[in-house]
Amino acid sequence: EAGVVQSPRYKIIEKKQPVAFWCNPISGHNTLYWYRQNLGQGPELLIRYENEEAVDDSQLPKDRFSAERLKGVDSTLKIQPAELGDSAVYLCASSSQQGLGYEQYFGPGTRLTVT
Amino acid sequence: AQSVTQLGSHVSVSEGALVLLRCNYSSSVPPYLFWYVQYPNQGLQLLLKYTSAATLVKGINGFEAEFKKSETSFHLTKPSAHMSDAAEYFCAVSDFTGKLIFGQGTTLQVKP
Repeated sequence: EAGVVQSPRYKIIEKKQPVAFWCNPISGHNTLYWYRQNLGQGPELLIRYENEEAVDDSQLPKDRFSAERLKGVDSTLKIQPAELGDSAVYLCASSSQQGLGYEQYFGPGTRLTVT
Repeated sequence: AQSVTQLGSHVSVSEGALVLLRCNYSSSVPPYLFWYVQYPNQGLQLLLKYTSAATLVKGINGFEAEFKKSETSFHLTKPSAHMSDAAEYFCAVSDFTGKLIFGQGTTLQVKP
């Protein structure tokens, strides 16, 4: 079974430029998560999807970040415009269902560097 | 609100020695607790999880953790460290929606 796929793996952009990250979850997984991991810290949830519905986006900086999950499968996370402080690893994870006890499977992440 | 504190951002052990990574949690409800491992340039992999069944949880790669409610702890151990265990380890607590709240992480160094 293929794992969570993310692309690109690395991205370097200048500040004020837009950037987008793509995630393909494990087949059949209804719940999709985007996390941001700053250097030397644990991941922090940005947004959680149940199928195509964003059920928790309270930590998503909505002035510059947006996300979508069309048809409840693939998802895209966008930043526009990027700031220096956005440099981090963006992790996508999926699980078969939301709720306690369901394991989240993580992708390898996209490492963003904003110069 | 739930939170996790990992004591020690860096732990160094010799190959063959005991590994002990410390995690304390705060939760107003019975917690679900997890340990994840992250190798360089890779995503997180689940080592083990506590879901209110047995307090001693066995995971992959010889790791285990013990849930101690009285101490609000969930420390990770392995009797004998291997070079391949060198990685970043994260403790996490889950809220009722499944959202994971992670600790700051502990880097494990294994010396030959």
